[in-house]
Amino acid sequence: EAGVVQSPRYKIIEKKQPVAFWCNPISGHNTLYWYRQNLGQGPELLIRYENEEAVDDSQLPKDRFSAERLKGVDSTLKIQPAELGDSAVYLCATAGAPYEQYFGPGTRLTVT
Amino acid sequence: GENVEQHPSTLSVQEGDSAVIKCTYSDSASNYFPWYKQELGKRPQLIIDIRSNVGEKKDQRIAVTLNKTAKHFSLHITETQPEDSAVYFCAATTNFNKFYFGSGTKLNVKP
Repeated sequence: EAGVVQSPRYKIIEKKQPVAFWCNPISGHNTLYWYRQNLGQGPELLIRYENEEAVDDSQLPKDRFSAERLKGVDSTLKIQPAELGDSAVYLCATAGAPYEQYFGPGTRLTVT
Repeated sequence: GENVEQHPSTLSVQEGDSAVIKCTYSDSASNYFPWYKQELGKRPQLIIDIRSNVGEKKDQRIAVTLNKTAKHFSLHITETQPEDSAVYFCAATTNFNKFYFGSGTKLNVKP
């Protein structure tokens, strides 16, 4: 079974530039999470999807972050414009019956 | 919301010794507690989990215990090996709605 796929793996951009991350979940996994992980810390939830519906986006900085999950499968997370403090690893995770959560490899974002 | 605290932040053991990492949680509604191992530059990988209707679960050298009354759960690694060296995260969730992660424990197994 293929795991969660994310791209790109690394991204370096200048502040104020836009950036987008893509996630392809494990087949059949209806729940999709986007996390941000800062160095030396645990993942923090940004947004959770159940199929195509964003059911928890309370931690998403909506002034600059947006996300979508068209057709309840792939998802994209966008930052526009990026700030220095956005440098982190962005992890996508998915879950399905029997409800184990699996992480993708993450995108390491560096904002200069 | 839930608050998960994890201790210790770093742990150094000799190869062959046991390692124990502890987490506490605040929300009594939490019913699923996974543990993740994250090697440097890699994704968190689920190594073991426990649900609230179970007090203990074991998988070879790894075990997890849960005390619902005290709201704490622990990861036990026996006969540690150098390849066990990594950062370990605990987490808690209620019905997979939102996962709350601990701050991580950096385990170093010295050969």
